[in-house]
Amino acid sequence: DTGVSQDPRHKITKRGQNVTFRCDPISEHNRLYWYRQTLGQGPEFLTYFQNEAQLEKSRLLSDRFSAERPKGSFSTLEIQRTEQGDSAMYLCASSRPETQYFGPGTRLLVL
Amino acid sequence: AQTVTQSQPEMSVQEAETVTLSCTYDTSESNYYLFWYKQPPSRQMILVIRQEAYKQQNATENRFSVNFQKAAKSFSLKISDSQLGDTAMYFCAFMKPGAGSYQLTFGKGTKLSVIP
Repeated sequence: DTGVSQDPRHKITKRGQNVTFRCDPISEHNRLYWYRQTLGQGPEFLTYFQNEAQLEKSRLLSDRFSAERPKGSFSTLEIQRTEQGDSAMYLCASSRPETQYFGPGTRLLVL
Repeated sequence: AQTVTQSQPEMSVQEAETVTLSCTYDTSESNYYLFWYKQPPSRQMILVIRQEAYKQQNATENRFSVNFQKAAKSFSLKISDSQLGDTAMYFCAFMKPGAGSYQLTFGKGTKLSVIP
């Protein structure tokens, strides 16, 4: 059991650029989650997959955000036309069944 | 919607002493899970302990234990024999299982410093 991994760990981009993050869950975990954490706050839920189906999306997930989980394995989170307000830590977690295990996160800085 | 409140933004404790972190939550659900997660500086979120609401017995994991008061909607974490490695942000989280939603709702966290 190698744990949840995320790539990249850090990303600096200019406003208006597109970025994509990847999450590899614990093998055989059928549930995968994305959260966003800003400085001094607890993580906030963005979206949830069960296998390849995206079953829930937070209102925080604007039209500029899209997430996929092809074949029910790894997942990607893309942010289009980044804004400075998108600067945050993006956390991925996986679970089977209820307890969620988190990856190290991708820290995004939008200049 | 569920809310989780951690009323202590920062706490400190002497090494080897005991400290209790507070958490309250608001829900109309009867079946749910509660968690404490630890996030050391610049490191990833780690599960500390979990409690199922239907269980009356308080969960315990080595030096970590909880005081779960369902009627009061309170879920405090006690750390015994504090160690320097316990220095971290501690987040209380709520989850309602069921069709569709398994998301965690987090509090704002308590920053714990263990002093040598």
